[in-house]
Amino acid sequence: QKEVEQDPGPLSVPEGAIVSLNCTYSNSAFQYFMWYRQYSRKGPELLMYTYSSGNKEDGRFTAQVDKSSKYISLFIRDSQPSDSATYLCAMRAKTTTDSWGKLQFGAGTQVVVTP
Amino acid sequence: DSGVTQTPKHLITATGQRVTLRCSPRSGDLSVYWYQQSLDQGLQFLIQYYNGEERAKGNILERFSAQQFPDLHSELNLSSLELGDSALYFCASSVIGLAGSTDTQYFGPGTRLTVL
Repeated sequence: QKEVEQDPGPLSVPEGAIVSLNCTYSNSAFQYFMWYRQYSRKGPELLMYTYSSGNKEDGRFTAQVDKSSKYISLFIRDSQPSDSATYLCAMRAKTTTDSWGKLQFGAGTQVVVTP
Repeated sequence: DSGVTQTPKHLITATGQRVTLRCSPRSGDLSVYWYQQSLDQGLQFLIQYYNGEERAKGNILERFSAQQFPDLHSELNLSSLELGDSALYFCASSVIGLAGSTDTQYFGPGTRLTVL
């Protein structure tokens, strides 16, 4: 079983809809959670970063973390065709002896926003 | 633009050859990370350097090695290349990246390696 599970999609939504993405994880040591957006053949771009349970909002993006359920979500409001990309969740432990900076990524969900 | 630069953008080579990928971190970042992204394996952590020292190792093959220089740029060396090494290789950087730090990683545009 992978440490981080993420549905690869594709997830197709009409323009203006809310995009809902999520990841589950099994390692209770994970304390820092990120969402990256990756356009085709480009480098992942950091969208959201949080290290506490609850919601964090930034513009049209809301990240949600539920550590008790080991579940994180990303919501994109008023989706645009330019939001079409692959969204990767990533997480890391607070302190480990052998992987201080190691990020564990989900497989990525491909999102297609149709005009 | 994340501020992380990588060269070259594309690299085409033959099996058995050796290549070097280069990364310059964001200004002020001390940690550099290397990742491999292939279609079947997703984004896999390879190795981390902090201020010139190796600090964490992931699924890096023995044929691969890396180093970080005094000016903080990093190079990833891939030798005895195989067809399966064809992938996107990303470099990321962060301010610190050590135990207890809350910083996170910013990725470069990647190097696409094709082994024929």
